[in-house]
Amino acid sequence: QKEVEQDPGPLSVPEGAIVSLNCTYSNSAFQYFMWYRQYSRKGPELLMYTYSSGNKEDGRFTAQVDKSSKYISLFIRDSQPSDSATYLCAMSANTGFQKLVFGTGTRLLVSP
Amino acid sequence: ETGVTQSPTHLIKTRGQQVTLRCSSQSGHNTVSWYQQALGQGPQFIFQYYREEENGRGNFPPRFSGLQFPNYSSELNVNALELDDSALYLCASSLRREVETQYFGPGTRLLVL
Repeated sequence: QKEVEQDPGPLSVPEGAIVSLNCTYSNSAFQYFMWYRQYSRKGPELLMYTYSSGNKEDGRFTAQVDKSSKYISLFIRDSQPSDSATYLCAMSANTGFQKLVFGTGTRLLVSP
Repeated sequence: ETGVTQSPTHLIKTRGQQVTLRCSSQSGHNTVSWYQQALGQGPQFIFQYYREEENGRGNFPPRFSGLQFPNYSSELNVNALELDDSALYLCASSLRREVETQYFGPGTRLLVL
């Protein structure tokens, strides 16, 4: 079993839709939770970061962490065609070095 | 502020050869991590360097090795290349103990024939 599970998609939505992306994990030591966006043939770009449980909002993006369920989510409001990319969740435990454990990534397609 | 840069962008090698990939950290960052991303997969942690020493390693064999230089730039060396080494190799720089500030470069795409 992988430490981090993420549906690979693709997830296809019309422009303006609310998008929900999710990851589950098995390692209860994870304390840091990140969402990265990766365009084709590019490096991952950090979108959101959350420490421990709770919600965080940044513009059209909202990240949620539920440590009791080992479940994290990223919501995108008013989705745009430019949001079409692969979204990677990543997690880290407070082990003294910064190893990120990534999900497989979910490919999102937003059609005009 | 300059971002993370990597070279070369693309590389083709044959089985058994050796390869060196290079990374320049973002200005002010003293920690470099390397990841391997196979097609359709998430990045896998290879190792991390801090102050020119290996600071942590993932499940990769010893033929994957690295260096960090005094200016915090880094190299990833892979010996005895195998077909499965074909992947996008990503470098990320960060300030030590600040997990949220890992910034990735564009990657080097390696194809092993």
